[in-house]
Amino acid sequence: AQTVTQSQPEMSVQEAETVTLSCTYDTSENNYYLFWYKQPPSRQMILVIRQEAYKQQNATENRFSVNFQKAAKSFSLKISDSQLGDTAMYFCAFMSNSGYALNFGKGTSLLVTP
Amino acid sequence: NAGVTQTPKFRVLKTGQSMTLLCAQDMNHEYMYWYRQDPGMGLRLIHYSVGEGTTAKGEVPDGYNVSRLKKQNFLLGLESAAPSQTSVYFCASSTLSTSQVQPQHFGDGTRLSIL
Repeated sequence: AQTVTQSQPEMSVQEAETVTLSCTYDTSENNYYLFWYKQPPSRQMILVIRQEAYKQQNATENRFSVNFQKAAKSFSLKISDSQLGDTAMYFCAFMSNSGYALNFGKGTSLLVTP
Repeated sequence: NAGVTQTPKFRVLKTGQSMTLLCAQDMNHEYMYWYRQDPGMGLRLIHYSVGEGTTAKGEVPDGYNVSRLKKQNFLLGLESAAPSQTSVYFCASSTLSTSQVQPQHFGDGTRLSIL
């Protein structure tokens, strides 16, 4: 089974600053998908961004972007111009090309301070 | 714009009791999933279904059963609840696409406490 590792249990950033959350994964597959989900205190699971492994271009969604390093099996999330509403738990997730379900990391708790 | 709806949102059970968690989606998705979320563990897959009438085991299936009698509903059952099943349960659904991976849409979760 693929494993997803998020090595930063907690992080803090000041409003308007940039923060990067780390994620590494282990797989022997060549085609797969990676996701970042956000879970605010409301407990909802919200998709932030996704990346297909066969695409070399890093995905971006407004203030959110990823640094996908396939050879290093690394998938970090960069949040620019951090806002108070970005305070949440962030989960990195892996999905096999031949599978259906997501393998989640243990999450990184991000606190944005004024 | 309901999306994925989980019922109930909160429940307290005694050890040995049984209950069923209901998940309903109105997006005509083929795939449905049940996850559990424990502190410091992230989300782990319990069971999933790739279509009406079919189910399969995930990473942590023991102590749970599921049924998918209708495409829009996915039920998670606990026959004899144990304290180790105290958790937050999430249902999710996704659609089939050959051109692009489709993200999973999550419900708001059910907080279940077993005393």
